[in-house]
Amino acid sequence: EPEVTQTPSHQVTQMGQEVILRCVPISNHLYFYWYRQILGQKVEFLVSFYNNEISEKSEIFDDQFSVERPDGSNFTLKIRSTKLEDSAMYFCASSTTRLTNQPQHFGDGTRLSIL
Amino acid sequence: SQQGEEDPQALSIQEGENATMNCSYKTSINNLQWYRQNSGRGLVHLILIRSNEREKHSGRLRVTLDTSKKSSSLLITASRAADTASYFCATVVFGNEKLTFGTGTRLTIIP
Repeated sequence: EPEVTQTPSHQVTQMGQEVILRCVPISNHLYFYWYRQILGQKVEFLVSFYNNEISEKSEIFDDQFSVERPDGSNFTLKIRSTKLEDSAMYFCASSTTRLTNQPQHFGDGTRLSIL
Repeated sequence: SQQGEEDPQALSIQEGENATMNCSYKTSINNLQWYRQNSGRGLVHLILIRSNEREKHSGRLRVTLDTSKKSSSLLITASRAADTASYFCATVVFGNEKLTFGTGTRLTIIP
């Protein structure tokens, strides 16, 4: 069964550094999402992306965050200047259509640790 | 309280028993979904129930939805050790794309 793949599985970065998290969505999917899960807390929506632009974003997704689909297969999340509170699991997801009544398929996540 | 609260927070049962988890939410929804998360892994979609549906089955899973009470339940019958995981409900509201997740129930099946 096709899978969403995320790399790296674990990223350790110094505070203030830029980090790029990478995702390869399922190949025929058109809608892409990033979520994060701070340890012990709920999974939180960050951003959705369709047709090469952001379709929705949360309050968490401020100017320090950006997303890109640089080559038609990868989907990346960039954090420009990381803070300690950015430490979390980051999950990428994709779906075939706009979410309504369709499931999202998640990757195994990238654990981001900010020192 | 927030959209999507599950109870119990943790549940331990013997293998072969049934496990029931509940989810409550606050706003009107388009659909409600249940996901499973094994330790250190991503979220696996289990089942989706639309707001105009009351019950749905998939294998050993049964989901109910009561929109008047804004609540849902997930029943896993004849539990197996492999069912040990965290289970989350997630809601989707009309006109919105995002999943709003609950706090989760950590289920442990004792062999």
